[in-house]
Amino acid sequence: DTGVSQDPRHKITKRGQNVTFRCDPISEHNRLYWYRQTLGQGPEFLTYFQNEAQLEKSRLLSDRFSAERPKGSFSTLEIQRTEQGDSAMYLCASSLGWIRAQVSGYTFGSGTRLTVV
Amino acid sequence: AQSVTQLGSHVSVSEGALVLLRCNYSSSVPPYLFWYVQYPNQGLQLLLKYTTGATLVKGINGFEAEFKKSETSFHLTKPSAHMSDAAEYFCAVGGNQFYFGTGTSLTVIP
Repeated sequence: DTGVSQDPRHKITKRGQNVTFRCDPISEHNRLYWYRQTLGQGPEFLTYFQNEAQLEKSRLLSDRFSAERPKGSFSTLEIQRTEQGDSAMYLCASSLGWIRAQVSGYTFGSGTRLTVV
Repeated sequence: AQSVTQLGSHVSVSEGALVLLRCNYSSSVPPYLFWYVQYPNQGLQLLLKYTTGATLVKGINGFEAEFKKSETSFHLTKPSAHMSDAAEYFCAVGGNQFYFGTGTSLTVIP
């Protein structure tokens, strides 16, 4: 168990550019979650997957945000045409199903910090 | 809808003093409740959790929390603060996705 890995740790991009972040969950975890955390705030839910199925995406902030988990393992979060307001920490978490999540909580990665200049 | 409210965005205590971080929840069903800690530029680490059963739950690093249904609260306490406890603390309520509070920044004064 190597934990949840996120790549890159830091990303600086110019406004208008597209960015993609990667999350590798704990290998046996079938649920994967994306959160955004702005300075001084708690994590804000964006979307989650069960295996390769994206079960909730209505909380994605705009149509510029999209996420995939094509083979039910790693996931990517893409932001198109970045804006300065997208600057934040993007956190990924995983869990082994719904029940285990309630009993054991999520395991979080260290996050990707995005700065849009 | 489920949500949590953390009262006090900043708490300062002296080293060795009691730590009390407040969390109130709103849930239409029996809640699953969690406390997480976050150190600078890191992800969240689970401190403790309430599912069912015993209302006083113990977690890592000497922290504990008491679930009080009548008060819809799940406050986090530690009898004696240590310098290493300085961090951001988040309360969360479970479900299909967890909902987090806005966090409380704990400062420990030597």
